[in-house]
Amino acid sequence: GQQLNQSPQSMFIQEGEDVSMNCTSSSIFNTWLWYKQEPGEGPVLLIALYKAGELTSNGRLTAQFGITRKDSFLNISASIPSDVGIYFCAGQLIRGGGADGLTFGKGTHLIIQP
Amino acid sequence: DAGVIQSPRHEVTEMGQEVTLRCKPISGHDYLFWYRQTMMRGLELLIYFNNNVPIDDSGMPEDRFSAKMPNASFSTLKIQPSEPRDSAVYFCASSFSGSVEQFFGPGTRLTVL
Repeated sequence: GQQLNQSPQSMFIQEGEDVSMNCTSSSIFNTWLWYKQEPGEGPVLLIALYKAGELTSNGRLTAQFGITRKDSFLNISASIPSDVGIYFCAGQLIRGGGADGLTFGKGTHLIIQP
Repeated sequence: DAGVIQSPRHEVTEMGQEVTLRCKPISGHDYLFWYRQTMMRGLELLIYFNNNVPIDDSGMPEDRFSAKMPNASFSTLKIQPSEPRDSAVYFCASSFSGSVEQFFGPGTRLTVL
């Protein structure tokens, strides 16, 4: 089956630092997505990427869809305490014009030290 | 607007008991997904529906698991009989065709003793 390798597994950073995490896949995906999950809640979509090479920003977040369609990265600039959480990459295939389930990476735990 | 609603939020049961998890998708969404999250395996897709019809159930781990969607506003995931290794957080998500964004519910934390 499809697998997404997400790294790093965890990050301990100081407030104000930039953060970078990435995902690689053995399979090609039509769409890459980045989600954030906070304790006791479900994942929430941060950024969706639709085309190879696409670079998309959402506030302090920037994500790119790799040219090979097998990788993606997420950057967070000038981290703040509310950025704490688990960040997941997810790949999606679109079959026959319809949606498909998501394949998730294992997540990156972001911890911000005061 | 109400998001995806799941019940119960927490369930503790004994091995061998039947467990039923419930989900109400966002009104107007025609896709519904069930995921399971564990420390070891992360988030895994179990099954998904389109217009109340199961499309892909290849992620359902065993025959002990079954899912139904009797109408557009309700779905259940049933485990019978439950086992300790079924302990996990189960998420329901919904989306609208043409959109990649899946909206997740708050999850049901299941503990099987």
